[in-house]
Amino acid sequence: KQEVTQIPAALSVPEGENLVLNCSFTDSAIYNLQWFRQDPGKGLTSLLLIQSSQREQTSGRLNASLDKSSGRSTLYIAASQPGDSATYLCAVANDYKLSFGAGTTVTVRA
Amino acid sequence: DAEITQSPRHKITETGRQVTLACHQTWNHNNMFWYRQDLGHGLRLIHYSYGVHDTNKGEVSDGYSVSRSNTEDLPLTLESAASSQTSVYFCASSEPFYNEQFFGPGTRLTVL
Repeated sequence: KQEVTQIPAALSVPEGENLVLNCSFTDSAIYNLQWFRQDPGKGLTSLLLIQSSQREQTSGRLNASLDKSSGRSTLYIAASQPGDSATYLCAVANDYKLSFGAGTTVTVRA
Repeated sequence: DAEITQSPRHKITETGRQVTLACHQTWNHNNMFWYRQDLGHGLRLIHYSYGVHDTNKGEVSDGYSVSRSNTEDLPLTLESAASSQTSVYFCASSEPFYNEQFFGPGTRLTVL
């Protein structure tokens, strides 16, 4: 069974600092990895999707890397803003099904 | 714009009642999924479908059922609601091969 772990569970940083969120998974035979953002009481918004053949994916201030052989992914958010405060979830796909980590809750202090 | 909608957004019901949660997507995706989200457990897969008339059990399927009669809809039924099924339920969909999943806004279900 795929196990997905996100460390740390919570993170508080001052505005402008770069964020580094970690995700690890136990079964490296993944189809892809997806990073999501969830605001309190809301649904999940897809941020980045990395296919298993890719090493990284970028969108604006967000950059996600994938090291499939070691079972790790890292989400970098540059120059954090208070609007980046949310819970960030990573999910790995085996076949078409996703296994989720518990998330990292980020607070960016103004 | 394409989207996924869920209804109702909030539901309170009593133990033993049958409850159906609706999920409708206009992406024309073949794959649809139901998850529940609970503190301490994250998101867990309940049921999923790869197309019309196809349904499959996820990791926490006991007490739930789904049916897929068309591409757009995948209703989730709780046959006899239990307090342990109090949760937030999310529906998602994706294309078969690209596999990026798109989520609905969720339904908060309380079973008293």
